[in-house]
Amino acid sequence: ETGVTQTPRHLVMGMTNKKSLKCEQHLGHNAMYWYKQSAKKPLELMFVYNFKEQTENNSVPSRFSPECPNSSHLFLHLHTLQPEDSALYLCASSQEGSTENQPQHFGDGTRLSIL
Amino acid sequence: GESVGLHLPTLSVQEGDNSIINCAYSNSASDYFIWYKQESGKGPQFIIDIRSNMDKRQGQRVTVLLNKTVKHLSLQIAATQPGDSAVYFCAENISNYGQNFVFGPGTRLSVLP
Repeated sequence: ETGVTQTPRHLVMGMTNKKSLKCEQHLGHNAMYWYKQSAKKPLELMFVYNFKEQTENNSVPSRFSPECPNSSHLFLHLHTLQPEDSALYLCASSQEGSTENQPQHFGDGTRLSIL
Repeated sequence: GESVGLHLPTLSVQEGDNSIINCAYSNSASDYFIWYKQESGKGPQFIIDIRSNMDKRQGQRVTVLLNKTVKHLSLQIAATQPGDSAVYFCAENISNYGQNFVFGPGTRLSVLP
């Protein structure tokens, strides 16, 4: 148990579908993140939410739309995705606000395949 | 641009031997570093971290060494076990820049029986 739960674990969708990825953290953290992990590439930060406010959008296409209703839940809404969007999408959380950064704790990801 | 990289993409070690995984970083302003372990089908798991005011930190069977002079980070695993087989990657961060971590591409560690 990592304390960060992602659902679904696997998702196959067509390019015209709309789906959502869900992340829930049970660690009492106040910051949450979406990352994309593609084969043979380093982790890419997509979005950062601090105290439910989006503080970072790392030039992500608008077909990815995040939502953070509270500090424990994070969603990634998907619409009209492209084949190159097939990847492992990871959610992470951390406790921010102190003078020193803290480690991010990851969920096990959603494996997304675009047909 | 600034980047974090790993010297060896793959590493094979005999069970019981010590493993050393290396990471080079290029941003001299980075002051916080983390090692993660990622097993197949799972997300990255925090192993150990170190801040730039230290050059060594020890955990359970793991030691992280930081050499700021040459911008080098290493992870040492003592008495490597089959369960240590995974991809290991480092991440660097600059505290004043928020939560943006730069992750390395990873090194695959294979433990041979």
